[in-house]
Amino acid sequence: EADIYQTPRYLVIGTGKKITLECSQTMGHDKMYWYQQDPGMELHLIHYSYGVNSTEKGDLSSESTVSRIRTEHFPLTLESARPSHTSQYLCASSEPGTSSYEQYFGPGTRLTVT
Amino acid sequence: KNQVEQSPQSLIILEGKNCTLQCNYTVSPFSNLRWYKQDTGRGPVSLTIMTFSENTKSNGRYTATLDADTKQSSLHITASQLSDSASYICVVSDRGSTLGRLYFGRGTQLTVWP
Repeated sequence: EADIYQTPRYLVIGTGKKITLECSQTMGHDKMYWYQQDPGMELHLIHYSYGVNSTEKGDLSSESTVSRIRTEHFPLTLESARPSHTSQYLCASSEPGTSSYEQYFGPGTRLTVT
Repeated sequence: KNQVEQSPQSLIILEGKNCTLQCNYTVSPFSNLRWYKQDTGRGPVSLTIMTFSENTKSNGRYTATLDADTKQSSLHITASQLSDSASYICVVSDRGSTLGRLYFGRGTQLTVWP
């Protein structure tokens, strides 16, 4: 079982609200990622980080922002939630080294914006 | 265009039976191929990782094969159990960047009936 945690697991929120999805890992991994996944669809990378103070946008354009102040913590923030943000958000982290690294996923946050 | 295609989209089998899931990819340059199991409402969990030189890899009742020439992989599940009901995702990594970019398939939804 991977030591990567996400809170909340489920969130129902009204349009216009600001939300922060939490992700933390205790494995000391430098690389962390945020993915978005809709039902029956593939995961899309929306943000990643190489380490503290490093944040990059992924392939899928997202209105969310991320921060990486501590190695173990990689929160994702939506300043003003909209129904189009309804989705599952998965956080992951990986070991350093070669490209054959293992990527560990958290349990996900299911976000519903009404 | 780098893509990962999986078939079938969904599959129903009876407990105790075997099944094989397929994955075709066009990712280049190829680094490795992974199979993940994703239970409903959970994050993906890695089953196997195979590099270019590996043709087969087993993890308990799961056996993955890779043909790097034809860019095809399969995941064979033997003596299926009810707990095997999940989405099985094929993921291919390229070696064109330091991030080790992952390309995800949409998954095969497997349902095992008693």
